[in-house]
Amino acid sequence: DIQMTQSPSSLSASVGDRVTITCRASQGIRNDLVWYQQKPGKAPKRLIYAASTLQSGVPSRFSGSGSGTEFTLTISSLQPEDFATYYCQQHNSYPWTFGQGTKVEIK
Amino acid sequence: EVQLVQSGAEVKKPGESLKISCKGSGYSFTNYWIGWVRQMPGKGLEWMGIIYAGDSDTRYSPSFQGQVTMSVDKSISTAFLQCRSLKASDSAIYYCAKWHDSSGFDYWGQGTLVTVSS
Repeated sequence: DIQMTQSPSSLSASVGDRVTITCRASQGIRNDLVWYQQKPGKAPKRLIYAASTLQSGVPSRFSGSGSGTEFTLTISSLQPEDFATYYCQQHNSYPWTFGQGTKVEIK
Repeated sequence: EVQLVQSGAEVKKPGESLKISCKGSGYSFTNYWIGWVRQMPGKGLEWMGIIYAGDSDTRYSPSFQGQVTMSVDKSISTAFLQCRSLKASDSAIYYCAKWHDSSGFDYWGQGTLVTVSS
């Protein structure tokens, strides 16, 4: 199985901060990576697919980059509604796998 | 409007079985894969498997193979997740989600809370 490791597991940040979350794959996955945002009590929401393509309707302060084994999700200026948990997911080979999540909390 | 509507919360005893439904609407149900994702209390997302609604081609995660069965009923645009021999550790929220080509799960059900307790 391909292991997806996110770092950090959690972070505290202030509104307006730039936030970067990293996702590392245990083997190369090309750009077969999706980022999701999950708020408490809600289903996940797709933010970015193909590692760097922003889902329609998602604010442009979100961006993704990377290919192969290392990927990043960046929030350029954190907004109050961005406090949530973020997950990466690979779909390069079965079984597809999620990272363990990164919780973004208010400082 | 695309929607995935899941069946309601369940309370089961250890050893019992369970079948959760996920009804799709607002899109061509048989042209897409439906995935199932488990989220244990306070924990992350776990990919359980995925089924193609058109022909029931299924891929299971080894972590769930043999413990669950995914199926679809095309006549009612509904996917099912059946879990056998439930244990307390199966208590979780189970989500279904529509897979869109290579661009991720684009629509999710509201989740079904399963509680397994004696």
